[in-house]
Amino acid sequence: EAQVTQNPRYLITVTGKKLTVTCSQNMNHEYMSWYRQDPGLGLRQIYYSMNVEVTDKGDVPEGYKVSRKEKRNFPLILESPSPNQTSLYFCASSLEWLGFGLEQYFGPGTRLTVT
Amino acid sequence: SQQGEEDPQALSIQEGENATMNCSYKTSINNLQWYRQNSGRGLVHLILIRSNEREKHSGRLRVTLDTSKKSSSLLITASRAADTASYFCVTSGSRLTFGEGTQLTVNP
Repeated sequence: EAQVTQNPRYLITVTGKKLTVTCSQNMNHEYMSWYRQDPGLGLRQIYYSMNVEVTDKGDVPEGYKVSRKEKRNFPLILESPSPNQTSLYFCASSLEWLGFGLEQYFGPGTRLTVT
Repeated sequence: SQQGEEDPQALSIQEGENATMNCSYKTSINNLQWYRQNSGRGLVHLILIRSNEREKHSGRLRVTLDTSKKSSSLLITASRAADTASYFCVTSGSRLTFGEGTQLTVNP
């Protein structure tokens, strides 16, 4: 089944404790992206990747890191989480980036709480 | 910013009625997409309309695009309780940008 998976689905952690949220897709997609969703702010893009070893900042990259060593995986790293990073996170992928976006496939979401 | 802005923010209708949601944006686009999100879950792609298209249909969905007015509408006909969700428009130019969504409630 074609899908985007994220782990963990729920995470409660403390300020400053490094964490990684994994994202994997099995559709051989070139383009992958991370979003956070907050009430009243909608979905905002954190980082995106157009292909292996190619990543770039989205609208709200501060406090996050990503890597794209393999085509299928795009982990999101929070080196020192803070309470303002409490949010619902989504990973998404699409076939490619053509200078504009195509249909995106979303993961189920990771609800992160930082205390 | 190319942010799509949906209108209304919330819409409540009875089962069987039609639901219309609107999206406005600010700059030129290559395409516009509509997504649905059930509460707390991932977004699901509904339909994509290219900038050179004016109308597109998919099942009970009808999307229009007016690039001169920088606006789009999503019509869901004969709505069902299962259509209850948030609906987002996503504009695509040099960046992908999401609006804040319209919360649709379909009452049985």
